[in-house]
This record gives sequence, structure tokens and C-alpha cells, in this order.
Amino acid sequence: EPEVTQTPSHQVTQMGQEVILRCVPISNHLYFYWYRQILGQKVEFLVSFYNNEISEKSEIFDDQFSVERPDGSNFTLKIRSTKLEDSAMYFCASRPGLAGYEQYFGPGTRLTVT
Amino acid sequence: SQKIEQNSEALNIQEGKTATLTCNYTNYSPAYLQWYRQDPGRGPVFLLLIRENEKEKRKERLKVTFDTTLKQSLFHITASQPADSATYLCALADTGRRALTFGSGTRLQVQP
Repeated sequence: EPEVTQTPSHQVTQMGQEVILRCVPISNHLYFYWYRQILGQKVEFLVSFYNNEISEKSEIFDDQFSVERPDGSNFTLKIRSTKLEDSAMYFCASRPGLAGYEQYFGPGTRLTVT
Repeated sequence: SQKIEQNSEALNIQEGKTATLTCNYTNYSPAYLQWYRQDPGRGPVFLLLIRENEKEKRKERLKVTFDTTLKQSLFHITASQPADSATYLCALADTGRRALTFGSGTRLQVQP
């Protein structure tokens, strides 16, 4: 069964460094998302991407964040200058499109900022 | 302000019983509501979606109801098993939006 994959599974970085989190969504899906979950807290929406552009973003998704779909398969989240409070689990998700509203989540990348 | 509330206390039940989890929301007009399962350290897994014009949806041992007047959804697991132990998340998308807003989840523990 097709699934969303994410790499790396765990990333440790120093405050102020740039990180890129990578995702490969399910191949025929049209909508792509990034969410994050700080330890012990709820899953929070960051950004959605459709037709090669951002369709929605939350207040969390400020100028430090960017997303890209550099080719037909990868979907990346870049954090330009990480802060301690960016430490969280980051989940990528994809959605079929008009055929369905359910979202399929990847296993997540645990980002630790020291 | 907008809120999605799930019982933050863990729900402990005996194997074979029916688990009922509640999701209440305020200041949303969702076109649909979804339930996900999340295991520790893992991503949410989609379980069921119910639309605003549907009262009930079933899938195997799972049943979801949706009352847009009460602004509430109930999620039932019948004949529960220890393998059903997990955190269950309610999620909805407000009208015209595609992003999901999640509740904080209810942890279910099924005792053998």
C-alpha cells in the first residue's frame, strides 16, 4: 500500500542553523501539508501546498519557514534559522484531491534544536 | 474563539466493551469531521470521515456520529481489543479551508 515517507527520522541541529526536512508524498496525491507536534501537545497545521504554490498557511509559518516541491516527488520544509522552540515532531501529509478529503501522514521527523 | 475539545483524561475500558469518545467544537462550520488514531511517536492514521449532511458512518468495529446542532461528534469502538489502545484525534476543516485543525486527543487504554 502506498505511503508517505519522511527523512531523516531524527535531526539534531544547533540554534541558528538551517534544516531541510524531506517528504515523499503518495504519488497521485494533489495536496500536500506540513504539520508539527510539540511533545505532549496537539498536532498543529503549518502549511498546505497545491498546484505548486502555498494555498494556506498558519501563523506559525512565518518568514523562517519555506516549502518547495523541487521535482515531481519530493516536498520539503526548510527552517532558515532554527530556534529552541522549533523542537518538535514534523509530519508531512498528502491528500488525494477532489476524490477524498482524508489525509495520509508520514512517520514524522523529530527535530531537536540545541 | 474557535475550539475543539476532547476529553483529556484517559479512557480505560475492559476488552470486549464499547469505547465512546467525544469531540465538541465551537465557532466552526465544518463541512466534514475526521477521526485519526495516533500511536506514541508515530504519525496520525486516518480512520473515518463524516460529512455535515451525514448523521452516522460505520467501518467495521468503528462508528462515528455527527450532530451539527450540538456541535458534537461521537466515536465508538465496539468489541474493543488491547490493540485498540492509542490516542484518538478528532480533526475538522472549517468551511472553505483544507487545513485540518486537531483536537488534543483522548488516550484509550483497553485492558485485557
